[in-house]
Amino acid sequence: KQEVTQIPAALSVPEGENLVLNCSFTDSAIYNLQWFRQDPGKGLTSLLLIQSSQREQTSGRLNASLDKSSGRSTLYIAASQPGDSATYLCASTDSWGKLQFGAGTQVVVTP
Amino acid sequence: DTGVSQDPRHKITKRGQNVTFRCDPISEHNRLYWYRQTLGQGPEFLTYFQNEAQLEKSRLLSDRFSAERPKGSFSTLEIQRTEQGDSAMYLCASSLPPGQGEAFFGQGTRLTVV
Repeated sequence: KQEVTQIPAALSVPEGENLVLNCSFTDSAIYNLQWFRQDPGKGLTSLLLIQSSQREQTSGRLNASLDKSSGRSTLYIAASQPGDSATYLCASTDSWGKLQFGAGTQVVVTP
Repeated sequence: DTGVSQDPRHKITKRGQNVTFRCDPISEHNRLYWYRQTLGQGPEFLTYFQNEAQLEKSRLLSDRFSAERPKGSFSTLEIQRTEQGDSAMYLCASSLPPGQGEAFFGQGTRLTVV
């Protein structure tokens, strides 16, 4: 059974610092990996999708890497802003499209 | 297209009552998923549909839960005889088949059972 772990559970950084969020998974037979953002009491917003054949994906200040062999993905957010404060979730996808989520990393960016 | 829509956004119900939630997926998405999220945890898979066919149900989905997707369009999730442990955020997502794009989520329905 796939298990997804996110460390740290919480992170606080001053504005302008780069953020590094880690995600690990136990079963490397994933179809793809997706990163989401969740604001308090809200649904999930998709940030990046990395196909299993890809090593990384970029969108603006966000960059996500994927290393299937070691069971790891990392989300980098450059030059953090207070508006980046949220919970970030990673999820692996199986061949049926089902998502297996980590518990998330709660990020606070202080002005 | 306005994305995945869920209704209601919030529901407070008394223990023992039945509740029904609705999800309208992105129109061209043939896959629809239901997840449940409790405080401080990531969402957990409940069930999913490909068009109108319900293809898998999690063991989390007790016999008090039922989901439908008539005609492969919107979906409903019903909980009968609600219990306090059912209090959670219920999230709906839709997607194209795996490999053809990402999953998109609605804003969720927050259920509180008192």
